Amino acid sequence: AQRVTQPEKLLSVFKGAPVELKCNYSYSGSPELFWYVQYSRQRLQLLLRHISRESIKGFTADLNKGETSFHLKKPFAQEEDSAMYYCALIVSGNTPLVFGKGTRLSVIA
Amino acid sequence: NAGVTQTPKFQVLKTGQSMTLQCAQDMNHEYMSWYRQDPGMGLRLIHYSVGAGITDQGEVPNGYNVSRSTTEDFPLRLLSAAPSQTSVYFCASSYGTGGETQYFGPGTRLLVL
Repeated sequence: AQRVTQPEKLLSVFKGAPVELKCNYSYSGSPELFWYVQYSRQRLQLLLRHISRESIKGFTADLNKGETSFHLKKPFAQEEDSAMYYCALIVSGNTPLVFGKGTRLSVIA
Repeated sequence: NAGVTQTPKFQVLKTGQSMTLQCAQDMNHEYMSWYRQDPGMGLRLIHYSVGAGITDQGEVPNGYNVSRSTTEDFPLRLLSAAPSQTSVYFCASSYGTGGETQYFGPGTRLLVL
């Protein structure tokens, strides 16, 4: 079965430092990958998806099929980026979305 | 639009009691799902539905039942609550499939004593 691995439970960085939240997946085909974010006291929401190839709130993520990774990156962290980040994967139309265990990002002023 | 709503926000149960967590959406979404969120475990799928009358099991379905009699509602039933079911439960919905943008509810925090 497909699996999503986020190796870091907690990542602390200083404001202005670069951020990289790691996500690896196990699936031999061509999945769709997503990053969802949950800010304090807010609902879980979509941050970005790999097929859009867009930058949201300064975050980008590139799908690397060779390394089966979809790391989330931002060059300069802001305090408002502090949140719980989940990487998620889907393999085909009617299959469900599978989430990783999440990484809590803490940006220190 | 209210989006995805969940009731109750918080519930305390005794072991063995049953209850239903309500989930409703007013966006005419076909796909709905239930997740539980536990520390260190992330979001785990309990059950999902691709449309009215169709449900399927997720990763952790034991101890939970669902039905989808209407497009709008997707209740989650705990048949006989156990302390291991203490968790935060999230309902989500989307237009077509799990690959579409998921809209999450605010969550229900459940404590089983």
